[in-house]
This record gives sequence, structure tokens and C-alpha cells, in this order.
Amino acid sequence: SQQGEEDPQALSIQEGENATMNCSYKTSINNLQWYRQNSGRGLVHLILIRSNEREKHSGRLRVTLDTSKKSSSLLITASRAADTASYFCATDKGYQKVTFGIGTKLQVIP
Amino acid sequence: GAVVSQHPSWVICKSGTSVKIECRSLDFQATTMFWYRQFPKQSLMLMATSNEGSKATYEQGVEKDKFLINHASLTLSTLTVTSAHPEDSSFYICSAREKNTEAFFGQGTRLTVV
Repeated sequence: SQQGEEDPQALSIQEGENATMNCSYKTSINNLQWYRQNSGRGLVHLILIRSNEREKHSGRLRVTLDTSKKSSSLLITASRAADTASYFCATDKGYQKVTFGIGTKLQVIP
Repeated sequence: GAVVSQHPSWVICKSGTSVKIECRSLDFQATTMFWYRQFPKQSLMLMATSNEGSKATYEQGVEKDKFLINHASLTLSTLTVTSAHPEDSSFYICSAREKNTEAFFGQGTRLTVV
């Protein structure tokens, strides 16, 4: 069964705008990872945030984690057409399987 | 971060043949490896978990005789799709972790059965 659920399932924005995707999960975790997947391609690891961290930045990406609400958000600032992809959150308990959410399909319109 | 290499990245095979996919951890010892499958426009679903030197644990609904998993060493796991059929066409991704550290993913293998 899926542990995480991304919200929204689909998002369409204009180039230059910010995109925010949310992920909610059900049980405690060790870390949470965000991945990007271009259509028909493999996973690209974006960022990992540990359970004792609240916010992390990587370039135009900003990830937050709220363990009390069991939720995480991924913010992509100043979006580009090349950011068009599906984005998945993956929850990791540290010793068991990593479970993926259903993903958010982001479309950035040039 | 750690590197997990998956090979091949894509493969086309005839119906009825078997296909082997390799997953290697390049710079760490993968005590546990996971195999996922992704149907078009869907998320990744876990197929099985394998610990080095042990039999794989399959998720409910996954045929263990059809998807043979071998994890004979700390750096290599293989998934063999036996007697492949068109409905087995999918994207297969492996993941590996060393003891209680975070898991890392391979790039995936696109299997097309014709």
C-alpha cells in the first residue's frame, strides 16, 4: 500500500511561477526523499530531509518537513519548462522498504 | 550520495523469453535490495525485498516463480522476468541500502515484451 500521498495530483503553472507540492504520510519515518521523473525515464533524486530537520534547500528547491503533521512540501521557485515532470515523495523508515506516493504531475508552460 | 547502477536501462524481448536485470551498489555494501515496478502514469509499487544471502520476500500479488530475485552478494541483485509476456512490459527500478542507512535508487529498466 502507498504510504505517501502527494497533493495536488496535477499542477499546471506558467514559467517563472513557483510550484508547491505536498506530501502526507501515515507512519513515523527516518527520512523523506523527493524524486523527479520525466516521462518514460528513470528517477532523479532531488533532496533528502531527515526526520530531525525542518527545512532544506538545494538550488531552486526548498523542502519542508513537519513530523507532527506527517507532511512535507516541495517548493520549486522560478519554474522552468524543463521542470515539467512527475514528482514523488518517498518515505523511509530507515530499515524497511521505501514507499512512494502517487506523485504530482507538474506542467510548466513556457 | 551512494551510487546504484542498474543494467540494462532498456530491453526489448520476445514473448516467452526470460530477461535478467542487474542492480549493483557501486560504493557500498547493500545488505538489502528492493525491486519496484511502475506501470505507465502510476507510482512505483514494491515487488519484493531481498537480503543478501536470503530468499526474497515478495509483496502480495507478485508471483515469485515469475519474478526470480537473487541477491547473492553484497553488491549485486538480479531480477529475472521468466517467460515474459506483453503484460510484463513495465519500468523496473531497484533500490539498495546498507544496514540502517537511507536507500538509493537505480535509474530503472524499461522492459518491452513484444
